[in-house]
Amino acid sequence: GAVVSQHPSRVICKSGTSVKIECRSLDFQATTMFWYRQFPKQSLMLMATSNEGSKATYEQGVEKDKFLINHASLTLSTLTVTSAHPEDSSFYICSANHGQYGYTFGSGTRLTVV
Amino acid sequence: QKEVEQDPGPLSVPEGAIVSLNCTYSNSAFQYFMWYRQYSRKGPELLMYTYSSGNKEDGRFTAQVDKSSKYISLFIRDSQPSDSATYLCAMSVNQAGTALIFGKGTTLSVSS
Repeated sequence: GAVVSQHPSRVICKSGTSVKIECRSLDFQATTMFWYRQFPKQSLMLMATSNEGSKATYEQGVEKDKFLINHASLTLSTLTVTSAHPEDSSFYICSANHGQYGYTFGSGTRLTVV
Repeated sequence: QKEVEQDPGPLSVPEGAIVSLNCTYSNSAFQYFMWYRQYSRKGPELLMYTYSSGNKEDGRFTAQVDKSSKYISLFIRDSQPSDSATYLCAMSVNQAGTALIFGKGTTLSVSS
C-alpha cells in the first residue's frame, strides 16, 4: 500500500515554456504532499508543502510564481514550472505522508530545459 | 551548521562486508528517523523507520538512534552488490504534516 505515482518521469522542454508535473496518491488520500528538488550528487531540498484545498507553503528562496503548485484533490498535486530556464533543469520528486507507511515518494521527474 | 549532516562518501566495500552509515543532526525536536535508499534517477525508497531512540532490525539492516548524541546509524550486514546505491537519512519533528529533512546522502558501492 501507499503508492505515489509521478508523471512524467522525464521531460525536455524549450527555454521559456512551462512544464507540469503530476503527483498522485494511488491507494490513499493525502491531505499534504511535499515537493523536493535534487541536483546531481546533492540531497533532496524541500521546495514547498502542498495542502489540499489551500495555498502551498513555499520554502525560503523558492519563487512561488515560478513554481506553481495546485493540490485540488486528496489524491493529486501538480507542480508547474513556468517560463522554464536551463537553471531549472533538475530532478523533481514529490512525496506524500501515509500514517501507517510514513512518507512515500514518487519516482521523480527529470526536467531538462534546453 | 546544517540541520542534518551526512558524509557523502563515496564508500566502497567488498561483498559480504558490514557497512556503517551515519548522520548527525542539530535539531533536538526531531523524533522520527528514516533511512532511504535511492538508485540513480529514481525516487527514494524507505528502508527503515524509527521513532525516538533505540534500535530496529529488519533482515540485514539495523537502524540505531541515539537522541542524546543526536546521532543515527544504519548498519548493513552481508552487503551485496545490489546494495550499491545512495543512502539518505531523513528526519522529522512530527509523524505527519511536516516535511522530512534529508542528509546529503552517502553513495555506497559494493563490489563482488
